[in-house]
Amino acid sequence: QVQLVQSGAEVKKPGASVKVSCKASGYTFASYAFSWVRQAPGQGLEWMGWISAYSGNTNYAQNLQGRVTMTTDTSTTTAYMELRSLRSDDTAVYYCARGGHVPIAVADPPDYWGQGTLVTVSS
Amino acid sequence: QSALTQPASVSGSPGQSITISCTGTSSDIGSYDLVSWYQQHPGKAPKLMIYEGSKRPSGVSNRFSGSKSGNTASLTISGLQAEDEADYYCCSYVGSSTWVFGGGTKLTVL
Repeated sequence: QVQLVQSGAEVKKPGASVKVSCKASGYTFASYAFSWVRQAPGQGLEWMGWISAYSGNTNYAQNLQGRVTMTTDTSTTTAYMELRSLRSDDTAVYYCARGGHVPIAVADPPDYWGQGTLVTVSS
Repeated sequence: QSALTQPASVSGSPGQSITISCTGTSSDIGSYDLVSWYQQHPGKAPKLMIYEGSKRPSGVSNRFSGSKSGNTASLTISGLQAEDEADYYCCSYVGSSTWVFGGGTKLTVL
């Protein structure tokens, strides 16, 4: 069965960076993409970006351009999301989610989700 | 890309049907038949309930159905059950490997 297991909670100071991992299992890793989605406390879902585990191609939300980097490691079937220059409004639960089969079903929505990683930014 | 517009809350009694709307623009919902709906219980990850506007993933109850008209998508839940109480989010593909979510709707089962 498809499983996405994320790294544990993080507490960071403003200006620092955080890197969240997402270990995938139960399917052919390089055949699918990932989306990263975050949810601030009490707020809705915000799409952050997308990465193809097949090609490494990425696309980031405009408001995060320059601060976010998404990568994948096919040898360990792990996806990563790094966010830099953290601010207090980056405090959120960060989710990885499996995207569509690449390259033929790029537009498929996220289907399986990780359990979420709470990132708290506080001085 | 602006968030899609959903009502903040809806409610219904057990056994009734409810509909949650999701309004976008001609650049998102109006351009693609690629709206999905997610259910999220408190403290849990979202769960995909509907994709491509009206298709259900394996294992999702047929009490959940989706539709679209113009720039507005809708999720209908029939035969409401207590376990349906959750937050619901719509999501639309907007091209170039980009998605946008709605603001979310809290469903209360009375």
